[in-house]
Amino acid sequence: GAVVSQHPSRVICKSGTSVKIECRSLDFQATTMFWYRQFPKQSLMLMATSNEGSKATYEQGVEKDKFLINHASLTLSTLTVTSAHPEDSSFYICSARRQGNTEAFFGQGTRLTVV
Amino acid sequence: AQKITQTQPGMFVQEKEAVTLDCTYDTSDPSYGLFWYKQPSSGEMIFLIYQGSYDQQNATEGRYSLNFQKARKSANLVISASQLGDSAMYFCAMREGRETSYDKVIFGPGTSLSVIP
Repeated sequence: GAVVSQHPSRVICKSGTSVKIECRSLDFQATTMFWYRQFPKQSLMLMATSNEGSKATYEQGVEKDKFLINHASLTLSTLTVTSAHPEDSSFYICSARRQGNTEAFFGQGTRLTVV
Repeated sequence: AQKITQTQPGMFVQEKEAVTLDCTYDTSDPSYGLFWYKQPSSGEMIFLIYQGSYDQQNATEGRYSLNFQKARKSANLVISASQLGDSAMYFCAMREGRETSYDKVIFGPGTSLSVIP
């Protein structure tokens, strides 16, 4: 199956700093990638849909100025958590789907801890 | 409004037995897709099985089968011959609309499955 690589897998940062998470589709072109957030023992909540070459579409309640998404190429989308606070600590996971393919491929996820 | 419901927060099953994980969904779109994913403690999302709304037959993938009852809007996952490695969170998910790459997939609350030796 297709491979989606997410980096870093774990990151600890200080409150007030920004953190960038990368999501790459390694063997296919992903015109669209999706960013999810998952709190412990909870489900995946869709944050935004990232479209190559255009602005991301954010779900209701997600602050677009805090969670900056850039989809610069057909194989790379980045999520930047700006001015991170402890309440931003969570598991962030991206997914991508190939055109015509039913399965969504997920990255390995990034566990963010803000101290 | 909750679009996907998984009423079993936790389930236990004896090794080698079969188990059914429930999922009901709500949509007015005639075209949709239903997925099941497994998430072990490592956090990765593992795709298990897919059912399209127009598929006539229930999907099967090895030990996994999907009991699709369209009129009831249910898509239960059946795992046969449970193994210890099946212990994980299981999420039912749905994509509304035709299979374009930008159609978003939303997830149910999940069921924690524990396989007992």
